[in-house]
Amino acid sequence: NAGVTQTPKFQVLKTGQSMTLQCAQDMNHEYMSWYRQDPGMGLRLIHYSVGAGITDQGEVPNGYNVSRSTTEDFPLRLLSAAPSQTSVYFCASRRQKTKTSYNSPLHFGNGTRLTVT
Amino acid sequence: KQEVTQIPAALSVPEGENLVLNCSFTDSAIYNLQWFRQDPGKGLTSLLLIQSSQREQTSGRLNASLDKSSGRSTLYIAASQPGDSATYLCAVRPSQAGTALIFGKGTTLSVSS
Repeated sequence: NAGVTQTPKFQVLKTGQSMTLQCAQDMNHEYMSWYRQDPGMGLRLIHYSVGAGITDQGEVPNGYNVSRSTTEDFPLRLLSAAPSQTSVYFCASRRQKTKTSYNSPLHFGNGTRLTVT
Repeated sequence: KQEVTQIPAALSVPEGENLVLNCSFTDSAIYNLQWFRQDPGKGLTSLLLIQSSQREQTSGRLNASLDKSSGRSTLYIAASQPGDSATYLCAVRPSQAGTALIFGKGTTLSVSS
């Protein structure tokens, strides 16, 4: 199994440009999420989804959009990049469907390192 | 608001030493606590998950304990090796519906040969 796959691994954008970070998982996980990791701030949740067609905001959603049209894919869109969005972005997934899956571990991708100049 | 703290932020030990990493959280209403490992430039790898009803979990040289009432967890690494060098993060899953994992900022471990 590939697990959680993120593309691209690195990206440089200019202020105001838009782009989409891709995330795909092959584990049939219902729950998918996006985190950003910044020095001294730890990991913070941006958006999450508990299934196709369902998304919700996390702790730091401003400046980002998501959609979930399939179980496998959960892209993150930056509409107008800002230097404050320079960060490492991680996609993560886990099972969600039943009460026993409350204790399912979270699986992470290898991250996308984004620099906005 | 749930907060997760990890002390120390960094730790250096010689190879072969047994060591303990600490994690504390402010609200005991959790489903579980998870320990992760992160290598430089990589994603997080789940090491151990302790459910709220459990006291400890073991995997190889790793043992994680949970004392929910006191808001503490420890990750014990036996006979440390240079390959254990990484950042270790703990995260709690609050039992309030819809809430995501809350992460600590991690402890960076360096094991010298």
